[in-house]
Amino acid sequence: DQQVKQNSPSLSVQEGRISILNCDYTNSMFDYFLWYKKYPAEGPTFLISISSIKDKNEDGRFTVFLNKSAKHLSLHIVPSQPGDSAVYFCAASWGSNYKLTFGKGTLLTVNP
Amino acid sequence: IAGITQAPTSQILAAGRRMTLRCTQDMRHNAMYWYRQDLGLGLRLIHYSNTAGTTGKGEVPDGYSVSRANTDDFPLTLASAVPSQTSVYFCASSQEGQKYNEQFFGPGTRLTVL
Repeated sequence: DQQVKQNSPSLSVQEGRISILNCDYTNSMFDYFLWYKKYPAEGPTFLISISSIKDKNEDGRFTVFLNKSAKHLSLHIVPSQPGDSAVYFCAASWGSNYKLTFGKGTLLTVNP
Repeated sequence: IAGITQAPTSQILAAGRRMTLRCTQDMRHNAMYWYRQDLGLGLRLIHYSNTAGTTGKGEVPDGYSVSRANTDDFPLTLASAVPSQTSVYFCASSQEGQKYNEQFFGPGTRLTVL
């Protein structure tokens, strides 16, 4: 049973437009959510996160929205740049549990 | 070194052979993890260690073992490799009390089992 789901394997957008990556979760115990970015032949790197006590967190061009009632979060990238082309992983954790549960990832391609 | 290092970068291995993937971190993080990444399956946790001297099983532990003799090192051993263990392996670490349980990842080891 997959607890963190990224239902879109890929997404293609034009440079300058908004990219919206979605993530759904089933475990209501999750209270921290993170987005990681991964380039080919590199390890994932932390991008942005949000606590369940918030519904929005913004960092420059990146904003994460959390809808707890729908068990849904999304990552918005505005404006999208070609360098944003990467695989984006959604991850979740709860309480003092160190472990993260990852989604399968979404490949974002930003076309010049 | 800074962060997490993994060795080797890549390896081709005959089935049935024993292999140890190395992971070292210099951030003095208490927790360390091993993941495998497979196309269409994302990152799956193999084993983890919350602190030196303790280890735990993740989502896909079968065929793998780990040890945590000290804070910095967390080797992953395949006792008898099988082709289904062909994957990219990532080591990660995190620190108790760190914001949002953020984990830091190494560059990965690409393993091919023939």
